[in-house]
Amino acid sequence: LAKTTQPISMDSYEGQEVNITCSHNNIATNDYITWYQQFPSQGPRFIIQGYKTKVTNEVASLFIPADRKSSTLSLPRVSLSDTAVYYCLVGDITPNSGGYQKVTFGTGTKLQVIP
Amino acid sequence: NAGVTQTPKFRVLKTGQSMTLLCAQDMNHEYMYWYRQDPGMGLRLIHYSVGEGTTAKGEVPDGYNVSRLKKQNFLLGLESAAPSQTSVYFCASEKSTGIPTEAFFGQGTRLTVV
Repeated sequence: LAKTTQPISMDSYEGQEVNITCSHNNIATNDYITWYQQFPSQGPRFIIQGYKTKVTNEVASLFIPADRKSSTLSLPRVSLSDTAVYYCLVGDITPNSGGYQKVTFGTGTKLQVIP
Repeated sequence: NAGVTQTPKFRVLKTGQSMTLLCAQDMNHEYMYWYRQDPGMGLRLIHYSVGEGTTAKGEVPDGYNVSRLKKQNFLLGLESAAPSQTSVYFCASEKSTGIPTEAFFGQGTRLTVV
């Protein structure tokens, strides 16, 4: 399973764009990159997922360079409600991979948004 | 839709007692997972299931058993609870599409073993 490395914590002021980078040097060909958000006392919530290049949805963008050894989650104009832990996951659950591999979440990046 | 529902939400056990945590999903998902989360740590996979009647071990399976007799339910059992199993347990489900997709998580079960 590909190991991921993220910053332990980040601070940002309200209204700023926040970029959280995840390193995954040994990502495999069939691996996808997924980001989750977790608020205290809640289960994680899916934010965005991608395989390569750029993916954008209503809450975030995900940038993946050509070598796929890292990825960057971009949160535009954060608010206080974006204070949470953000997890980067890399893994493959396709049936043809020889087995189902559901990745384990790392310790994530604790984002603190400051007024 | 309720999504993923975990029962109970809180529980205190004495060492050596047994209990079963229930996870129910109403989204007809094939995949289901049990994780544990300890303070300051990420989620670690205990067991998972890729379909009714199937289960498999995750990263930290020791001391736990699971069953998936019905597609919508995934049970996590502790036969003889130990203080090291004090944790918050999360269940999740995911649709099988051939590629990884969004996993939906329950609200968690906070278990304390004294």
